[in-house]
Amino acid sequence: EIVMTQSPATLSVSPGERATLSCRASQSVSINLAWYQQKPGQAPRLLIYGASTRATGIPARFSGRGSGTEFTLTISSLQSEDFAVYYCQQYNNWPPWTFGQGTKVDIK
Amino acid sequence: EVQLVESGGGLVKPGGSLRLSCAASGFTFSSYSMNWVRQAPGKGLEWVSSISSSSGSIYYADSVKGRFTISRDNAKNSLYLQMNSLRAEDTAVYYCAGGYSYGSPPDYWGQGALVTVSS
Repeated sequence: EIVMTQSPATLSVSPGERATLSCRASQSVSINLAWYQQKPGQAPRLLIYGASTRATGIPARFSGRGSGTEFTLTISSLQSEDFAVYYCQQYNNWPPWTFGQGTKVDIK
Repeated sequence: EVQLVESGGGLVKPGGSLRLSCAASGFTFSSYSMNWVRQAPGKGLEWVSSISSSSGSIYYADSVKGRFTISRDNAKNSLYLQMNSLRAEDTAVYYCAGGYSYGSPPDYWGQGALVTVSS
């Protein structure tokens, strides 16, 4: 089973600043990597798939990069609605899907 | 508007059973693979099970294999999860989630159903 590790656990950012989240896979997942956003009491929302393709309706301030074992999600200019928990997920070696433990982006 | 609405959650004793349902609308359910993903209180996401659009392929996480059964009824636009021999560690919010390609990350998610296993 592939282990996904996200860093940092918590990221404190001021509105308007850039946020960069990292995700590392224990073995190569090619570009089969997705990012989700989850707000309290809500279901996860797909942001990025294929490591860098934005899902339908996702603003351009969200961007993903990487391949193999190292991935990043960048939010170029944080808006108030972006403060949430973000999860990465690999779907290259499936089953099972495996998720990272999450990075909480909170207000500095 | 796409909607996935889970039902059937609740409080059950260890060793008991529960059946979750997920009613789909706003998209061609029969063309979509469907999945269950759970989240224990205050924890991260855990994949539980997946079923292809035709029910021809089904997978389970090792943690639920032999105890949970996923199924679907395309005529009723519904997904199910039969959960038997429930344990305390099965306590979680269970989300149904749909994706066009089997195994690809789902873009449609329900609001979740809380299952609490406790005596």
